[in-house]
Amino acid sequence: EDQVTQSPEALRLQEGESSSLNCSYTVSGLRGLFWYRQDPGKGPEFLFTLYSAGEEKEKERLKATLTKKESFLHITAPKPEDSATYLCAVQARGGAQKLVFGQGTRLTINP
Amino acid sequence: DTGVSQDPRHKITKRGQNVTFRCDPISEHNRLYWYRQTLGQGPEFLTYFQNEAQLEKSRLLSDRFSAERPKGSFSTLEIQRTEQGDSAMYLCASSSPEGVRAFFGQGTRLTVV
Repeated sequence: EDQVTQSPEALRLQEGESSSLNCSYTVSGLRGLFWYRQDPGKGPEFLFTLYSAGEEKEKERLKATLTKKESFLHITAPKPEDSATYLCAVQARGGAQKLVFGQGTRLTINP
Repeated sequence: DTGVSQDPRHKITKRGQNVTFRCDPISEHNRLYWYRQTLGQGPEFLTYFQNEAQLEKSRLLSDRFSAERPKGSFSTLEIQRTEQGDSAMYLCASSSPEGVRAFFGQGTRLTVV
């Protein structure tokens, strides 16, 4: 069964303090690994898709990387507006191509 | 691109009542998904439509849940005889035929009292 585990569950940082979020996964044939951002009371907002080990994607202060077993979301010099829950999901090849999500990492950036 | 639209945004209902939610996907997207999200957890897959055909349902989707997508456009999710355990955020997502990237709506927050 496809499975995603994210760590830590919650992370508090000071503004400007860089860190990384981890996403470990097992999937029967990876089609894609997705990172989403979710603000309280809202739907997930797409950030990145990674398809193969070694791939990297960047957007502003965020950088996502992928290996065969895990993905990292690196956040550099974060600002308070980066506070949100970050969700990782995998999509297997074939079938419905549904997303299997981890439980998320709740990130808080203090000014 | 007007995004995925869900209605209502919030619903409070008494235990035992029936509720129905609506999702309007992005117009050119033929794939539509329903997910359920409880507090502190990631979204869990409920069901999937390709055009008007419902092609996959999760074990989470009990007999009290039914979903439709007439004519392959909007979709409805109905919960009959609601229970307190049904309280959650119900999210709809759509994607293009390639199915690479799913766009989510803002969700419907259901509270069963």
